Amino acid sequence: SQQGEEDPQALSIQEGENATMNCSYKTSINNLQWYRQNSGRGLVHLILIRSNEREKHSGRLRVTLDTSKKSSSLLITASRAADTASYFCATPTGGSYIPTFGRGTSLIVHP
Amino acid sequence: GAVVSQHPSWVICKSGTSVKIECRSLDFQATTMFWYRQFPKQSLMLMATSNEGSKATYEQGVEKDKFLINHASLTLSTLTVTSAHPEDSSFYICSALDSLLTYEQYFGPGTRLTVT
Repeated sequence: SQQGEEDPQALSIQEGENATMNCSYKTSINNLQWYRQNSGRGLVHLILIRSNEREKHSGRLRVTLDTSKKSSSLLITASRAADTASYFCATPTGGSYIPTFGRGTSLIVHP
Repeated sequence: GAVVSQHPSWVICKSGTSVKIECRSLDFQATTMFWYRQFPKQSLMLMATSNEGSKATYEQGVEKDKFLINHASLTLSTLTVTSAHPEDSSFYICSALDSLLTYEQYFGPGTRLTVT
């Protein structure tokens, strides 16, 4: 079964707006990762946040982690049309380091 | 950053034939590689963990005789889809674990398989 579930499933916004995606997971984790996938392409690792971190930034990306709620959010600020992609959260499961992926959020940024 | 390549990028084959997909870590050694499968608009599902010099570990429900995995070197893992059927058509993505430095997974660009 899937560990992480992203919300919303799809998001459509205008360029310049912020995009927020959420991820909920079921069991305790050591870290949570966010990935990006352009249509028909491989995954690009965006950011890893560890269980003892609450917030992390990378450029226009801001990730938060709330272990008490078993949830994480990915915020993309000042979105661009090039940010159009699917975004996945992934968490290791069952004591393994192998990440399990959610279904992803499909983001469309209109120019 | 670490780069993982896959070959081919896409392949179309006839039912009943076998297809081999290669996954290479270009600038690091990977004792462990992973093979995922992704259907359109779906998540990545882990198929198997490929370990250099030993047998692959398959996830529940994945037929090991149909999806042959070979990890003969520290930079190459291959997935062979044997006797392919149209339902095997999918996007196959590999990843390689940098177990020496970063302990991060690096993903390949994927291979689109279409079985006619």
